[in-house]
Amino acid sequence: KAGVTQTPRYLIKTRGQQVTLSCSPISGHRSVSWYQQTPGQGLQFLFEYFSETQRNKGNFPGRFSGRQFSNSRSEMNVSTLELGDSALYLCASKVGSLNTEAFFGQGTRLTVV
Amino acid sequence: TQLLEQSPQFLSIQEGENLTVYCNSSSVFSSLQWYRQEPGEGPVLLVTVVTGGEVKKLKRLTFQFGDARKDSSLHITAAQPGDTGLYLCAGEGSGYALNFGKGTSLLVTP
Repeated sequence: KAGVTQTPRYLIKTRGQQVTLSCSPISGHRSVSWYQQTPGQGLQFLFEYFSETQRNKGNFPGRFSGRQFSNSRSEMNVSTLELGDSALYLCASKVGSLNTEAFFGQGTRLTVV
Repeated sequence: TQLLEQSPQFLSIQEGENLTVYCNSSSVFSSLQWYRQEPGEGPVLLVTVVTGGEVKKLKRLTFQFGDARKDSSLHITAAQPGDTGLYLCAGEGSGYALNFGKGTSLLVTP
């Protein structure tokens, strides 16, 4: 059974640009969550999607957005990149929203220069 | 926000030693999870504890959930270099989100 796949693994962008990250969850999992991980703040929740609907959003500015497709694949977008957006972005899939056990992808390492 | 405090923040030990790391909160959780994350990888789920006072064993790792379901501990017996990584605890926050502690970074040297 394939795990959670995130693409790309590494990305370097310039301040002011935008970026789109992709996540394919485990087959059969309908919930996809996104987290930002930095050395200072640890893992912070960005948002969760279930059946193409955003169920919850963390305390991040509107520059951070996402969506989920009918096949449960998800994308997140960050516009007008800032240096502070440099982080490891992790996607987690769950069978359903009420399940607590999350399975993470390897993450996308975003560097903003 | 239900905060999870993990201690110690860093731990460096020799192979064969025992260690315990802690995860504490002032809030009650319906369950807590422990993850291990290796550099450049995503966290991998180790265990979920659900019942207050519950003890779960995974080979040399022993996980305990506090009676009041506000804290948890992870004990590793005879640590090995392969145990090196960031150990994270997580509990369910509001609206299906997981709240994570900042983790304990463990280094086991041969």
